[in-house]
Amino acid sequence: AQTVTQSQPEMSVQEAETVTLSCTYDTSESDYYLFWYKQPPSRQMILVIRQEAYKQQNATENRFSVNFQKAAKSFSLKISDSQLGDAAMYFCAYRLANTGNQFYFGTGTSLTVIP
Amino acid sequence: EPEVTQTPSHQVTQMGQEVILRCVPISNHLYFYWYRQILGQKVEFLVSFYNNEISEKSEIFDDQFSVERPDGSNFTLKIRSTKLEDSAMYFCASSVPGGYSPLHFGNGTRLTVT
Repeated sequence: AQTVTQSQPEMSVQEAETVTLSCTYDTSESDYYLFWYKQPPSRQMILVIRQEAYKQQNATENRFSVNFQKAAKSFSLKISDSQLGDAAMYFCAYRLANTGNQFYFGTGTSLTVIP
Repeated sequence: EPEVTQTPSHQVTQMGQEVILRCVPISNHLYFYWYRQILGQKVEFLVSFYNNEISEKSEIFDDQFSVERPDGSNFTLKIRSTKLEDSAMYFCASSVPGGYSPLHFGNGTRLTVT
């Protein structure tokens, strides 16, 4: 079964500090793509960052970066210099490269940014 | 920037009634999806649609559910006879081809079945 686990239902961070959201997944496939989505309150989910599983180099997008550990099936999200606008629900997801086209999502982590 | 739009934002219906949730995907996207999220639970895949037919569906997507692209812009999800457990947030999404292509989501329709 394809599963995604986000073990932290809620996290908080002081403004300007760094926070890491954890994500682990389970698949027997070797080729897939990983994504982090952000869902602000009452807003649509938007892409934060993505990673191709065959690439060893961790993806970065401005203040957002990932720590991708393929052997451990771990894909954590690091947010540096946290801002009030980062407060949202964050979802980890992956999509298999060669089997179907659905995304598998975790249960999400609710991030609070403390001024 | 183009967006996926969904209507209505909130739908209340009685058990056993039919509902149609509507979505307008991004115009140059070719893959369309419905996901749902029961409060506090994970985002669950329902169905994907490509080239005017279902390309993949989950176990949740039983005979009570159907999808349609009635014209060149709309993508609808119909639930024929709603159950209490259908209460959830329903998200429409679209994407271009390619596994690395992200999903673009709409704002969702909150369905409440009473």
